[in-house]
Amino acid sequence: AQSVAQPEDQVNVAEGNPLTVKCTYSVSGNPYLFWYVQYPNRGLQFLLKYITGDNLVKGSYGFEAEFNKSQTSFHLKKPSALVSDSALYFCAVRDGGYQKVTFGTGTKLQVIP
Amino acid sequence: DTEVTQTPKHLVMGMTNKKSLKCEQHMGHRAMYWYKQKAKKPPELMFVYSYEKLSINESVPSRFSPECPNSSLLNLHLHALQPEDSALYLCASSQGSGGTEGYEQYFGPGTRLTVT
Repeated sequence: AQSVAQPEDQVNVAEGNPLTVKCTYSVSGNPYLFWYVQYPNRGLQFLLKYITGDNLVKGSYGFEAEFNKSQTSFHLKKPSALVSDSALYFCAVRDGGYQKVTFGTGTKLQVIP
Repeated sequence: DTEVTQTPKHLVMGMTNKKSLKCEQHMGHRAMYWYKQKAKKPPELMFVYSYEKLSINESVPSRFSPECPNSSLLNLHLHALQPEDSALYLCASSQGSGGTEGYEQYFGPGTRLTVT
């Protein structure tokens, strides 16, 4: 079985400050981890993924995420938030033995000017 | 080109109507997906097609009928829907759907469906 948790429904951060959106996961095999962003009335856009290798993954629009196996976490980070980063962010996981991707409940990021 | 297109953008249908949603990708992806998304909720997987064959049906009611005519096209046929089926229907594609490759999914903009 696989599951993913996003403990925060909403994260507020001031423009220019660093941001973190939290994600923890549970899988029985090797985890494949993804972050997606969704703007209002739009589909999801892929930001970055961890498959194997370096624990720090860099993605689109200046986002990065750190894979921590011992804490089973994959937090999304950005050094300096922009107002345009305000959106709904989904963490997702796929156990290596499965086809299905499981999405977290989403975290709304609000960047305050 | 990393685009997945979906038509129509909006659809209003009565409970006795028959309609179809269409999805298209030209990235050479071999896996295609249908998701249902309610407001402020995560996408819920409905169907997965891998190499044009249905590989996952998440116990979706038979009033939803998927079809994959070729590797670039995915349809979702709708019949006798209920008001609770109103949602954003998302199509996605990826290079593969399982194994060790860890391919990401590319999503279309969705079809906003309202059942009256």
